[in-house]
Amino acid sequence: AQSVSQHNHHVILSEAASLELGCNYSYGGTVNLFWYVQYPGQHLQLLLKYFSGDPLVKGIKGFEAEFIKSKFSFNLRKPSVQWSDTAEYFCAVSTTSGTYKYIFGTGTRLKVLA
Amino acid sequence: DAMVIQNPRYQVTQFGKPVTLSCSQTLNHNVMYWYQQKSSQAPKLLFHYYDKDFNNEADTPDNFQSRRPNTSFCFLDIRSPGLGDAAMYLCATSDRGRFTQYFGPGTRLTVL
Repeated sequence: AQSVSQHNHHVILSEAASLELGCNYSYGGTVNLFWYVQYPGQHLQLLLKYFSGDPLVKGIKGFEAEFIKSKFSFNLRKPSVQWSDTAEYFCAVSTTSGTYKYIFGTGTRLKVLA
Repeated sequence: DAMVIQNPRYQVTQFGKPVTLSCSQTLNHNVMYWYQQKSSQAPKLLFHYYDKDFNNEADTPDNFQSRRPNTSFCFLDIRSPGLGDAAMYLCATSDRGRFTQYFGPGTRLTVL
């Protein structure tokens, strides 16, 4: 069965620190990959997505992610976090055919200390 | 702005009392989804509509049903809410061929 793993459940960083959140998936075929952010009390917002092409994708708010096919990974990065990045981050995967469904990771709760 | 709207944002119901949550969208997307999200967990897909075609997840309890009377609206009916059904319910839409899902703000359901 397809699955998505986010190994870091809770991350605490100081402002200006660099961020990397891991996301690994298990599926042998072609996938679309997403990172969503959920700020406290707000809805899920799309940070960035990968469908094809350049494996390094840039999203909103200075975030980027790199798709490494050989490692089945799609890690999220930001060189310098801000207090306002405090949120929960979800990785999601969908296959490129048929079901239009996401499989979400369990999420990473990021707290940035001012 | 085109968006996904969920009403109400907060819903309180009593154990066993039917409740309906609503979702509307101005994106004109043909796929609509309902998710259940419990605290500190990933959203769990309950079902989705592709146009009028209803697709139920295998582990969605029979207690949960859905209606989609037209492209813009989708409803989640919980026939007999239990304490375990207290959660945030998220509606999302996508446009076939683009795969990206757009989420509403959610309805937080409390069961007393």
